[in-house]
Amino acid sequence: AQSVSQHNHHVILSEAASLELGCNYSYGGTVNLFWYVQYPGQHLQLLLKYFSGDPLVKGIKGFEAEFIKSKFSFNLRKPSVQWSDTAEYFCAVTSNFGNEKLTFGTGTRLTIIP
Amino acid sequence: EPEVTQTPSHQVTQMGQEVILRCVPISNHLYFYWYRQILGQKVEFLVSFYNNEISEKSEIFDDQFSVERPDGSNFTLKIRSTKLEDSAMYFCASDRGGRGGVNEQFFGPGTRLTVL
Repeated sequence: AQSVSQHNHHVILSEAASLELGCNYSYGGTVNLFWYVQYPGQHLQLLLKYFSGDPLVKGIKGFEAEFIKSKFSFNLRKPSVQWSDTAEYFCAVTSNFGNEKLTFGTGTRLTIIP
Repeated sequence: EPEVTQTPSHQVTQMGQEVILRCVPISNHLYFYWYRQILGQKVEFLVSFYNNEISEKSEIFDDQFSVERPDGSNFTLKIRSTKLEDSAMYFCASDRGGRGGVNEQFFGPGTRLTVL
């Protein structure tokens, strides 16, 4: 069975600080990896995804994530955060068969202090 | 830009009552999902639906739950006899399909179900 761990439950940063949110997954086969963001009062939106190819993927709003297969990790990064990045961030995984359920991590609440 | 919609945004019900949560997936999508998030916990998969039948369901999705696509646009989740522990945010999602390819699920805004 798949599982996802997000080690940071609540992260507080000042504007312009660099961000890295950890995500580790457990699955025996090939995976697709995702980061979703949920802004206050809004629905889940896809930030970025990894299916294959370049392990460094770039998403919207300046976010990027790196897939490190040997570490079963898919950490989210942003070099300089903004107040508007305050949100809940969810890492998720599916198998590579397509059209499969998403298995989510517990989420990381990010608070940016102006 | 097309989006997944859900109604109602908030549903309050008494324990033991039936509720139906409604979703309108993106029109050309073929795969449909329900997830839920109990307050303070992770988003959990409930059920996936394709070609008018359930593809996969979790252990949460017991006999009290059912899904239906009654027409070409709506996708509903029914809870037959609600329990206090069913209180959660319920998210509908859809994706357009494509085996092994782009597999992005688009989420609706959610329905907050409160069982009293």
